Parts: sequence; C-alpha cells; structure tokens
Amino acid sequence: AQSVTQPDIHITVSEGASLELRCNYSYGATPYLFWYVQSPGQGLQLLLKYFSGDTLVQGIKGFEAEFKRSQSSFNLRKPSVHWSDAAEYFCAVAPMNYGGSQGNLIFGKGTKLSVKP
Amino acid sequence: NAGVTQTPKFRILKIGQSMTLQCAQDMNHNYMYWYRQDPGMGLKLIYYSVGAGITDKGEVPNGYNVSRSTTEDFPLRLELAAPSQTSVYFCASSYGDRHGYTFGSGTRLTVV
Repeated sequence: AQSVTQPDIHITVSEGASLELRCNYSYGATPYLFWYVQSPGQGLQLLLKYFSGDTLVQGIKGFEAEFKRSQSSFNLRKPSVHWSDAAEYFCAVAPMNYGGSQGNLIFGKGTKLSVKP
Repeated sequence: NAGVTQTPKFRILKIGQSMTLQCAQDMNHNYMYWYRQDPGMGLKLIYYSVGAGITDKGEVPNGYNVSRSTTEDFPLRLELAAPSQTSVYFCASSYGDRHGYTFGSGTRLTVV
C-alpha cells in the first residue's frame, strides 16, 4: 500500500541552526512529492513540490528539498532556522495521475518543529 | 482573491445532531477535497470531487456525505454526529495534477 513516513514526531532546533526533516515514501513509481507547513490554528500552506527533473527543489521561506530515488526519500532542509519557522510540517505524495479518477494526496503524520532562542 | 473559505470556524454538536460544513473556492478549481485532521494522525481523506456533479469516497467516508452542484461549493454533511467525529476538518481545492492543494483555514468540530 502507498504510504508516507515521517520518522520524527517532534524536533527542536536552535535559532540559526540548520534543519532537516525526513520523509520516506512507499510507492511503485516515483510519485509527485510535496511539503506543506501548518502554523497553529491555520490551514496547510504549500512549501514546495517535485515532479521530475532536478532533484533539488527550492520552495518558499528559504526551504529546499532533495529527492533521492534510491532511498525513496524527499527530505526538507533549511540552512538557518528562524523562530517563525516553528510549525508542523507535512510530507505528502500523490500518484502521477492523481488529478484524475484516483485523485488524492497521501499525507505523512507530520513533524512538529520547535525553535529555541 | 479569497481562496478557499470554510464556515463555521468552530462548532459544538451534541451526539445525534446533524450539520453541514461549508466550503467555497473562487479559483475555478475542478478538484475539491475534504480531510479530517486528528492529533498525531496527519490528514485523512473523507471525500473528494473531480468536478461538479462528481464525488467519490476517500479513506474515511463513514458518517459523512457530500454534494457538488457547482464548481465553487463542496459542502460536507454530518448526519447523526458521534464523538468519533470530533476533529478539525479541512477543505482543499486544486487544478489537479501538478499544482498542489490550496487549503481552507479549517473547522474545529467537537461532538459532546
């Protein structure tokens, strides 16, 4: 069955430190891959997405993610974390034709990021 | 440009009551979705629609119903509310394919 795993439930980093959030997927073919961020009491906002091509993708708010086919991973990174990055982060995957009859995103359970001053 | 609008933001229901969660989008997206979010469980798909007049079940449809009479609106109906339906509900829409979703701000529902 298709699945998305975010191994870390909660991560705490110091402000200014680098960040890497892990995401692994179980899928027959390379799916479309997404990272979303959710601030407390808010909906989810798209950070970045990957479909094909360059395996390093840039997103909003200084985030980037790298797709590694051999590891079935799509880890999210940021070189220097700001206090405003404290939020919950969700990795999601979709079949390549998810816009059609199969269509929906499968979400991981999320990683909560806390930022120490 | 309002995006995806959900109403109400908060609601408390008694067991056995019914209600409709409203969702409207003004981006002319064909695809619309209802998810529920429970702590530590991520998002689970309830129902989705690929266009007006077309709906289909997601992973957790029991206890819910939807309709899609227009491109803009995708209401979610809860019949005979149960405590297990206490959750945060998110509506989302998309052009489909490679565009990702636009989410509403959610409805926090408590069933007591």
